[in-house]
Amino acid sequence: EVQLVESGGGLVQPGGSLRLSCAASGFTFSVYDMNWVRQAPGKGLEWLSYISGSGRTIYSADSLKGRFIISRDNAKNSLYLQMHSLRAEDTAIYYCARDNNDGYGYRPFDSWGQGTLVTVSS
Amino acid sequence: EIVLTQSPATLSLSPGERATLSCRASQSISSYLAWYHQKPGQAPRLLIYDASSRATGVPARFSGSGSGTDFTLTISSLEPEDFAFYYCQQRNYWPRTFGQGTKLEIK
Repeated sequence: EVQLVESGGGLVQPGGSLRLSCAASGFTFSVYDMNWVRQAPGKGLEWLSYISGSGRTIYSADSLKGRFIISRDNAKNSLYLQMHSLRAEDTAIYYCARDNNDGYGYRPFDSWGQGTLVTVSS
Repeated sequence: EIVLTQSPATLSLSPGERATLSCRASQSISSYLAWYHQKPGQAPRLLIYDASSRATGVPARFSGSGSGTDFTLTISSLEPEDFAFYYCQQRNYWPRTFGQGTKLEIK
């Protein structure tokens, strides 16, 4: 069974940093592209960043202005999001989500974690 | 950036009725559109990808259509568990973008 479990969320002061993790199991992690998506309270979904299975290709939302950095450790079956210069508007649930390109068509975000809440407040 | 506009914002229907949700892209995205639904307190779930392909385990009452800029998600006969938020999302261009969502509520 595919499982994605996020961790690392919590309360952080404005201007602070936080690193989120996503532990993957139930599939060959290194083969799959991964993403981070967030959802502010009562709002819609916002895609943040993508990383290919090898880690060599990365895309991120321009709105982040380089404050967030996606990475992965395939040996540890883990995805990360390093967040810097956090602002109140970064308060959201952060999800990791898998892309699936296993030969049955490219399915974006076919599996999601349960999310981890990040609250930016003084 | 591709802007996806979903309509209506809220759709009020009864179980057993047919639901039609729309998603319009600001420019052509070929068929690279997906649909998700999300229940309160849960993560989103992929329903449809590439405009019309059902994801694994998705009931046949869900269908998607469209290409270019206009897309539709149809639920042929609403079940109680279908009342949720629905989001469209494009993957033809970076950055990937989502629509603002449609709330499907019980009338």
